[in-house]
Amino acid sequence: QKEVEQDPGPLSVPEGAIVSLNCTYSNSAFQYFMWYRQYSRKGPELLMYTYSSGNKEDGRFTAQVDKSSKYISLFIRDSQPSDSATYLCAGWGFGAGSYQLTFGKGTKLSVIP
Amino acid sequence: NAGVTQTPKFRILKIGQSMTLQCTQDMNHNYMYWYRQDPGMGLKLIYYSVGAGITDKGEVPNGYNVSRSTTEDFPLRLELAAPSQTSVYFCASSRRQGATYEQYFGPGTRLTVT
Repeated sequence: QKEVEQDPGPLSVPEGAIVSLNCTYSNSAFQYFMWYRQYSRKGPELLMYTYSSGNKEDGRFTAQVDKSSKYISLFIRDSQPSDSATYLCAGWGFGAGSYQLTFGKGTKLSVIP
Repeated sequence: NAGVTQTPKFRILKIGQSMTLQCTQDMNHNYMYWYRQDPGMGLKLIYYSVGAGITDKGEVPNGYNVSRSTTEDFPLRLELAAPSQTSVYFCASSRRQGATYEQYFGPGTRLTVT
């Protein structure tokens, strides 16, 4: 079983829609949970991170973690064409001798004007 | 600040050739990382460094070598390139122990081995 599972999509939504992106994970040692955004042919950029369970909001973006069900979510309100990118979820915790990020495969999102 | 820079942007190698991918960061970060990203496969950690002179293997280190002689630079060496090393390579850095989940990525190097 992969440590972080993520539906690769692609996901296509109309402008203004609410987008829900989801991941599941298996490693109970994860302490922080991240969402990275990656535009085509660019490097990933950190969008948000959450410590343990709970919600975190930043503008149109809300990250949610439920450690009891090992479920990570990212919600995008009022989606814009500029949100079109691949979204990578990741867990951070101790494994193989050090603290490391473990990434999901990414979900490709297209927001259609 | 330029952040994390990588050179070259693109490279085509023949099987058996060698090359060095360059990575430099100007944020005075102690931690640096090399990842590879294959289509639909997510990011896999190749090597990482917690400071000058200290490096360690990640999940997929075979076929690669690294060195860290300065805080700023973290080159990745490919010896005897193989088609399986065709990938996009990303260098990243993070500022301190306890916050290594905040990683800043470079723009990547697209490598094709034929």
